[in-house]
Amino acid sequence: NAGVMQNPRHLVRRRGQEARLRCSPMKGHSHVYWYRQLPEEGLKFMVYLQKENIIDESGMPKERFSAEFPKEGPSILRIQQVVRGDSAAYFCASSPFSKGQETQYFGPGTRLLVL
Amino acid sequence: AQSVTQLGSHVSVSEGALVLLRCNYSSSVPPYLFWYVQYPNQGLQLLLKYTTGATLVKGINGFEAEFKKSETSFHLTKPSAHMSDAAEYFCAVSNRDDKIIFGKGTRLHILP
Repeated sequence: NAGVMQNPRHLVRRRGQEARLRCSPMKGHSHVYWYRQLPEEGLKFMVYLQKENIIDESGMPKERFSAEFPKEGPSILRIQQVVRGDSAAYFCASSPFSKGQETQYFGPGTRLLVL
Repeated sequence: AQSVTQLGSHVSVSEGALVLLRCNYSSSVPPYLFWYVQYPNQGLQLLLKYTTGATLVKGINGFEAEFKKSETSFHLTKPSAHMSDAAEYFCAVSNRDDKIIFGKGTRLHILP
């Protein structure tokens, strides 16, 4: 059973370009979470999605960031017009159920570098 | 609102010595508590979690943690450190609304 997959593992963008980060949850998992990790900081929650629905986006910046989890295919975190401050590691996690006690399984992350 | 405080961003212990990583939490409802480990350039892996029941929780790789409600703590311990334990460790708290709040992490260094 494959784990959570994220691609690309590393992404380099110039300021003003768009970044698309993909996450394929574990088989049978319908709940996806995105986190951002800045150097020397913990993981910050960004958004929680179920298939075709955004459940909680309280951690998403108001502008330039969007996320989706379509019926078919991976979840996408999209950052438009990237700035240097967007450089970070972005992690996706998935779980089979939505209970707070449910373990989240993390992908290896996408490390975004904005030049 | 929930929060997690990890005391010490860096901890160094000698190989074979006791590992103690401290975590205190704040929660208005009975919490669910987690410890995750992150090796370089990898994602987070669950070490152990507390939901209900026994307050001493055993995890993988010889780690364990004890939930102490009176102290609002969930410290992580291992009796004897191994070089392979060098990594970053994150304490986390959640409640029934699904959001997990992570601490800032503690980087564990093992001295030969």
